[in-house]
Amino acid sequence: DVKVTQSSRYLVKRTGEKVFLECVQDMDHENMFWYRQDPGLGLRLIYFSYDVKMKEKGDIPEGYSVSREKKERFSLILESASTNQTSMYLCASSLLASGRAEDTQYFGPGTRLTVL
Amino acid sequence: GQNIDQPTEMTATEGAIVQINCTYQTSGFNGLFWYQQHAGEAPTFLSYNVLDGLEEKGRFSSFLSRSKGYSYLLLKELQMKDSASYLCAVIPLGDYKLSFGAGTTVTVRA
Repeated sequence: DVKVTQSSRYLVKRTGEKVFLECVQDMDHENMFWYRQDPGLGLRLIYFSYDVKMKEKGDIPEGYSVSREKKERFSLILESASTNQTSMYLCASSLLASGRAEDTQYFGPGTRLTVL
Repeated sequence: GQNIDQPTEMTATEGAIVQINCTYQTSGFNGLFWYQQHAGEAPTFLSYNVLDGLEEKGRFSSFLSRSKGYSYLLLKELQMKDSASYLCAVIPLGDYKLSFGAGTTVTVRA
């Protein structure tokens, strides 16, 4: 079974703090993703990585950066947290990028971040 | 975005059938996914349609009609544990990232 883990389930930070969210997958997947999920807006892609040290902006990259130094690990960084970044953050990974069923994404348990 | 539309909420009785519709406006896509997400948990993969028609997996079936820009997820013999949010997603042609609908929250009542 694919396992995607995230460093924290719940996190509370203050405005202006630098925040690191870590994600690790154990199935040698090529692709890794960071989403945020908000009521009524669904899942929105923040950043995507298709290889080590490679990254691509998603739909809402502003205020975020990412790092992928190793294949199994993908980090989301909030350089200066703001209250509008309070959300559920979900990491996901997938094997390939061929548009087939094998590309199904496997999600981590999520991190609920509150910025005060 | 890909303008993926789903109803916000649906309520049904235990043992009944519920059909969750998903419509989309996109010039083309590789495949259509359905995910299930229980409250406070991560989405989990349910089904994938690439060809038109019905894909059946036990109590859950998913249907796709590309010409009509339409898919549905059919949940039969509803159980209380089926209370969850159901997400429709597509991978647009020329892309490899999923675009998600906002999800449909299904509440199953005894």
